Amino acid sequence: AQKVTQAQTEISVVEKEDVTLDCVYETRDTTYYLFWYKQPPSGELVFLIRRNSFDEQNEISGRYSWNFQKSTSSFNFTITASQVVDSAVYFCALTTNAGGTSYGKLTFGQGTILTVHP
Amino acid sequence: SAVISQKPSRDICQRGTSLTIQCQVDSQVTMMFWYRQQPGQSLTLIATANQGSEATYESGFVIDKFPISRPNLTFSTLTVSNMSPEDSSIYLCSAAEGAIAKNIQYFGAGTRLSVL
Repeated sequence: AQKVTQAQTEISVVEKEDVTLDCVYETRDTTYYLFWYKQPPSGELVFLIRRNSFDEQNEISGRYSWNFQKSTSSFNFTITASQVVDSAVYFCALTTNAGGTSYGKLTFGQGTILTVHP
Repeated sequence: SAVISQKPSRDICQRGTSLTIQCQVDSQVTMMFWYRQQPGQSLTLIATANQGSEATYESGFVIDKFPISRPNLTFSTLTVSNMSPEDSSIYLCSAAEGAIAKNIQYFGAGTRLSVL
């Protein structure tokens, strides 16, 4: 069974602060894919990043960076110099190459509500 | 990336009625998925809808309650049948362009359903 845990339910920061959102996952499959999605108040899920289990390189995209560590089964997301527009719910998700009826299924964490105050 | 359009964006329905939600993709996609997001909660997969085959339902979801159609590679519908207040949720569809697990799922804006 797959599981994704986002222990931080809510985070509140002031603009320009850095913030890290934690994600810990569990899977028995050796090939898997991790995702981060952003859900602004409008409701749609916006894709941010995908990593596969064989690529532990950290990634940076503008103010966003991701730290993937297989040794701790973590895939953390950092926003540098946060802005009010970053306020949203952020979801970490996992899928694997396991066959059967769950193929391609995304297992989501509970989400972290990020509020950035001016 | 695929662009997903969902209709209606929101609705208020009476107990015992049914609502059909439409999901249109701007390109042909192999895999489509329907999720439910209860208030303040995460997303839970209802079913996977692949064209040309019956939808595959997750544990706790049944076809009689959530019938799904997938008539072609760009369109799917989800019906919420015989609604009760417990069905009040956001329903989201997603689409993945290929047929392999690593493919990115793109989501619609969701349908906010309130059942009175």
